[in-house]
Order: sequence, then C-alpha cells, then structure tokens
Amino acid sequence: QLQLQESGPGLVKPSETLSLTCSVFGGSSRNNNYFRGWIRQPPGKGLEWIGSLYHTGSTYYNPSLKSRVTMSADMSKNQFSLKLSSVTAADTAVYYCATVQGDILTGYFDYWGQGMLVTVSS
Amino acid sequence: EIVLTQSPDFQSVTPKEKVTITCRASQSIGNSLHWYQQKPDQSPKLLIKYASQSFSGVPSRFSGSGSGTHFTLTITELEAEDAATYFCLQSSSLPWTFGQGTKLDMK
Repeated sequence: QLQLQESGPGLVKPSETLSLTCSVFGGSSRNNNYFRGWIRQPPGKGLEWIGSLYHTGSTYYNPSLKSRVTMSADMSKNQFSLKLSSVTAADTAVYYCATVQGDILTGYFDYWGQGMLVTVSS
Repeated sequence: EIVLTQSPDFQSVTPKEKVTITCRASQSIGNSLHWYQQKPDQSPKLLIKYASQSFSGVPSRFSGSGSGTHFTLTITELEAEDAATYFCLQSSSLPWTFGQGTKLDMK
C-alpha cells in the first residue's frame, strides 16, 4: 500500500509563494506511469481539487487557481510538488497530496497523505 | 463546473441504524462518482469508486448506487466508528468537484 507525506513550511506570508512537496513510499511508488493530485481543505470547510499531474508531464489545474498554481515531479526522488503564488489568507488550508487511478475524466483519488496545515499570515 | 449537492448536511444516528446519504449532480456524470469518509483530523479515505464499486478493505456494510445525476451511499448496521463526514467526488469533467459533505454524529 502506498504512503504519502506532505512537507514544507507551515507558515507563509501574504503575497509570497506556498511550496509543498509530497513524498511517495511503498507499494508501486516507483511506477513510472504515475498520476498524482493535490487537494485542499480550509479549516472547518469542504474539499477543493487544486490540480493533477500526469507522468507525461501533462498538468490539469482548477480554473479558480490556474493562474497561481504550478505542479511538477521529480521521479528520481519519488516526489511531486505544488507551488501556489501570491497567497492570501483565503489560501489557509490543510493541503493533501494523493495518488490517482484512472484518467483525468474518470479517475479518483485512492491514497492520500496525512495533510499539512499551511497558514497564510504576516 | 459541476455542482454536487449532498443531503442531509447533518444526521444524528444510532448504532445498527441504516443510513442513506444522497449526492446529486448538476448535470449527468455517468458513473464517475466516488465516495470518501473523513474522520476528525484525518485525511479522507476512499470507500466507493465509480458509484458502486467497493474499494479494497472497505467493510461490506458500505455500498453505493446510482448513475447520471443521482447517487446514494448506504451504510447498513451502522457502527460507532462510522461517525464521520462523508464526501462525494465527481471526475466526469474538469474541474473535479466535491460535495459539501454529510456529517454523521453518533447519539
């Protein structure tokens, strides 16, 4: 079974860039045909899909965040990353990384990281 | 953007009860509808994929049905450990969207 772990700063200043890394362990974590995603959840609220990254390099972003989001992967380290620029207090949330089965128009998240709270504050 | 509306938002439940949670989509999504369980301070866990397929290791008391715009998650013989918030997710079109969640509170 795959395990995922988010890491990065838990506090980011307004207008700066939020950067998180997700490390994948176990199972078929070194499968080159990977499909990964990021989701966030503001405190006490629901879930929001941020975007997904396919092993071909294709990325799919939520239009509401597209202008500020960049996703990438480093397969040599079995890691993938999220960058969200120009953050505001509205970006304060628990950020989850997850693995995806299926494709971009039918898939689902199967395994999730434990989540990381990122607070945007000066 | 496809909007998923769950009902109810909250339900107070008792052990051994049968519970049904509904997820309605604003347009047809085929069977690209998936259900998750989230307990406090934990990440969501996949219960049901493609509307009715149980994910590996999920207890048989959880089942899903539906297609198009109307979907249900049923929990039979509710156990205390099932107290949680349940979300539906659609992946039929971009952006992927989640329902607002249904919180089950054990009496």
